[in-house]
Amino acid sequence: EPEVTQTPSHQVTQMGQEVILRCVPISNHLYFYWYRQILGQKVEFLVSFYNNEISEKSEIFDDQFSVERPDGSNFTLKIRSTKLEDSAMYFCASSGDIFTGELFFGEGSRLTVL
Amino acid sequence: GENVEQHPSTLSVQEGDSAVIKCTYSDSASNYFPWYKQELGKGPQLIIDIRSNVGEKKDQRIAVTLNKTAKHFSLHITETQPEDSAVYFCAAMIYGNNRLAFGKGNQVVVIP
Repeated sequence: EPEVTQTPSHQVTQMGQEVILRCVPISNHLYFYWYRQILGQKVEFLVSFYNNEISEKSEIFDDQFSVERPDGSNFTLKIRSTKLEDSAMYFCASSGDIFTGELFFGEGSRLTVL
Repeated sequence: GENVEQHPSTLSVQEGDSAVIKCTYSDSASNYFPWYKQELGKGPQLIIDIRSNVGEKKDQRIAVTLNKTAKHFSLHITETQPEDSAVYFCAAMIYGNNRLAFGKGNQVVVIP
């Protein structure tokens, strides 16, 4: 069964460092998303991406964040200068059709900022 | 924006009993309501969903009900088994809106 894969599974970084989280969405999907979950809190929407551009972003997704689809398979989330409060589990998701609503999630990348 | 509340936060049930998790949502325009199961160390997996044009949907031991007037929806798991132990998330979305609003999650523990 096709699945969304994410790397790394866990990354530890120093505050102020840049981090890139990588995702390989399901191959025939067109819509890509990043969500995050701070420990003990809700899963929160960060950004959606379609046709090589951001289609929607939340208030969390400030100038420190960026997304990119550098080639035909990868979808990346970059945090330019990490803060302690960026520590969270980051989930990538993809969807074949926004009008059916079904999102497929990866297993997540745990980011720990020290 | 949409706000989804989920309760109870934890639920323990004896194996074989039923489990019910309830969620409320705030935006009456929401028309898609999925439920996700998250096992330890894994990402959320869709287990069942319901659209606003139906009131109930069933898939083997799991079912979801939707009350649009009251703006709440529930997940029902019957004949629970130890492998049902997980965190369950409800969510709400408007088709084409691109963003799911999640509840906080519910830890279900099935006691053998």
